[in-house]
Amino acid sequence: DAGVIQSPRHEVTEMGQEVTLRCKPISGHDYLFWYRQTMMRGLELLIYFNNNVPIDDSGMPEDRFSAKMPNASFSTLKIQPSEPRDSAVYFCASSSITTGPGGYTFGSGTRLTVV
Amino acid sequence: GENVEQHPSTLSVQEGDSAVIKCTYSDSASNYFPWYKQELGKRPQLIIDIRSNVGEKKDQRIAVTLNKTAKHFSLHITETQPEDSAVYFCAASLSGAGSYQLTFGKGTKLSVIP
Repeated sequence: DAGVIQSPRHEVTEMGQEVTLRCKPISGHDYLFWYRQTMMRGLELLIYFNNNVPIDDSGMPEDRFSAKMPNASFSTLKIQPSEPRDSAVYFCASSSITTGPGGYTFGSGTRLTVV
Repeated sequence: GENVEQHPSTLSVQEGDSAVIKCTYSDSASNYFPWYKQELGKRPQLIIDIRSNVGEKKDQRIAVTLNKTAKHFSLHITETQPEDSAVYFCAASLSGAGSYQLTFGKGTKLSVIP
């Protein structure tokens, strides 16, 4: 398995533009998590899905952020409109009720810079 | 919800010395405590974990201890090497159906000085 795949690896965009981050979880994993990492706040959970259904989105900072999981092999995190304070590394992770939380695997992350 | 505090935020040790990183958690129901290592520009990767029915676990130079009464757990690295330099994150989770997310500490940047 290629692991959790995220795209793009780097994204530079202008303030006000829409940004879409993509994630492909490990096949067979039924949990998918989106995290944001900054120096000040560390790793923050934004939202997570179980069997494609959003379970907890309390970490989503505001209405500009939205996430979808249309099927078991794909999820998106969208920011519209983007702002400079959204600059961070965004990680996707997946896991399985079978493997337990020990099977938590992170993708390589998307480094977002909003100028 | 769960809150995880991690100390220190930075730690410098001489090569060959030991390093200890400590975490406390707030939710007494949490039962799974992993540690992740993140090298510069890379993804966090699991290095060791412990469940609440175990007090200590070792894997070569790395060990983790858990004190459920005090709600704290620690990572111990012995005989440190330059390649141990990284950011280390502790996390806590209530592992059970319907409640599965990891709450992370803010990380400890470990520098091993040759």
